[in-house]
Amino acid sequence: QAVLTQPSSLSASPGASASLTCTLRSGVNVGSYTISWYQQKPGSPPQYLLRYKSDSDKHQGSGVPSRFSGSKAASANVGILFISGLQSEDEADYYCMIWHSSAWVFGGGTKLTVL
Amino acid sequence: QMQLQESGPGLVKPSETLSLTCTVSGGSISSSSDYWGWIRQSPGTGLVWIGSISYSGITYYNPPLKSRVTISVDTSNNQFSLRLSSVTAADTAVYYCARLYCTDGVCHFDYWGQGILVTVSS
Repeated sequence: QAVLTQPSSLSASPGASASLTCTLRSGVNVGSYTISWYQQKPGSPPQYLLRYKSDSDKHQGSGVPSRFSGSKAASANVGILFISGLQSEDEADYYCMIWHSSAWVFGGGTKLTVL
Repeated sequence: QMQLQESGPGLVKPSETLSLTCTVSGGSISSSSDYWGWIRQSPGTGLVWIGSISYSGITYYNPPLKSRVTISVDTSNNQFSLRLSSVTAADTAVYYCARLYCTDGVCHFDYWGQGILVTVSS
């Protein structure tokens, strides 16, 4: 079972909100990890969005709009990237990442479609 | 604005060694708070971290690739390099170099190169 699991796709309407999830494998406690999020558009490298461990320990990437935010749902062992006020330019692949067992681990990515 | 640029052959034969270099501009590779890394992405798939290195040469490798990977740093030329030995078609991917920016023990990849497609084929 992969360390990080993301839904392969998600669709949402312009102006709506979207919650992209990153589920940690059983036994890997989300509360112990800082989760980083990246956005990747076709033909471009990933771009850092933000990282989140707790409300008091988080970091927003330079120039990243505040409508991108991070959180966790401890009961579900999930990290969440929340995007409000969706715009067409938000259509992209999104990846989560953690440092686990001495390795940087990426989730499989979620393709967000805004239509 | 820091920039990273990958360079190297776009075609490597099976069983040979893939060699890439990342040139850093707009900043020094010798910052004590930074690490430098290689990440790859096979066509249509997700991101895989290959390994990272500090300016002083401390390395961390992804365990599944560790036996085949060597990452080195050349501070005089502001570059770091990747060597991946005994390549197969499964190593065909876009290879990215990136800066791993660390503060208070927490890190993220903030600057990325544009990526270079390396195809393994005879």
